[in-house]
Amino acid sequence: GAGVSQSPSNKVTEKGKDVELRCDPISGHTALYWYRQSLGQGLEFLIYFQGNSAPDKSGLPSDRFSAERTGGSVSTLTIQRTQQEDSAVYLCASSLGGTSGGKGNEQFFGPGTRLTVL
Amino acid sequence: AQKVTQAQTEISVVEKEDVTLDCVYETRDTTYYLFWYKQPPSGELVFLIRRNSFDEQNEISGRYSWNFQKSTSSFNFTITASQVVDSAVYFCALSSGSARQLTFGSGTQLTVLP
Repeated sequence: GAGVSQSPSNKVTEKGKDVELRCDPISGHTALYWYRQSLGQGLEFLIYFQGNSAPDKSGLPSDRFSAERTGGSVSTLTIQRTQQEDSAVYLCASSLGGTSGGKGNEQFFGPGTRLTVL
Repeated sequence: AQKVTQAQTEISVVEKEDVTLDCVYETRDTTYYLFWYKQPPSGELVFLIRRNSFDEQNEISGRYSWNFQKSTSSFNFTITASQVVDSAVYFCALSSGSARQLTFGSGTQLTVLP
């Protein structure tokens, strides 16, 4: 079956502009995660959605970052007023989630969106 | 607080050598899950294995094997008879308690030379 897909694969923007990154999870996966990967910070958790529950936003670095998940499927990560330190690869992952036990925690990642802020 | 430490930043071996990647974790939760991911030069993170905290059985999958030891809070990964295609960054990760998100180690860059 299809894996996690993300778009765009690359995004170059100017400082101060807003950007939207999209993630399509694996069909049937109820949990969706956003992470970012940068040279200085490694892999960092940003936000987690599980079904219709309120998202866990504990990893968002500032209020310029937000995310939504419509219809329990596609998710959009929005970064407002981008800064140069936002340059990173943004990774989306999905998992079965719910009460699937350990298997529900197995996260499968998309190819990422490389964001460059000039 | 959760923490994953991969002390080996880079490892270089010659093809057909065995290599072990170390992972040490910290958590106060009694229920947790450990993972290994591979990130080849193409960049996509590939899931390799999950281990539950209550299952200390070691696992072997082809040339890959994993050694989980709760007594030392370690979850090490061994590649037997390494191949050039094994060259990648390998990440160890942890999720524990009610938190489903992964806490990653800093990764180990493995280079297998022909």
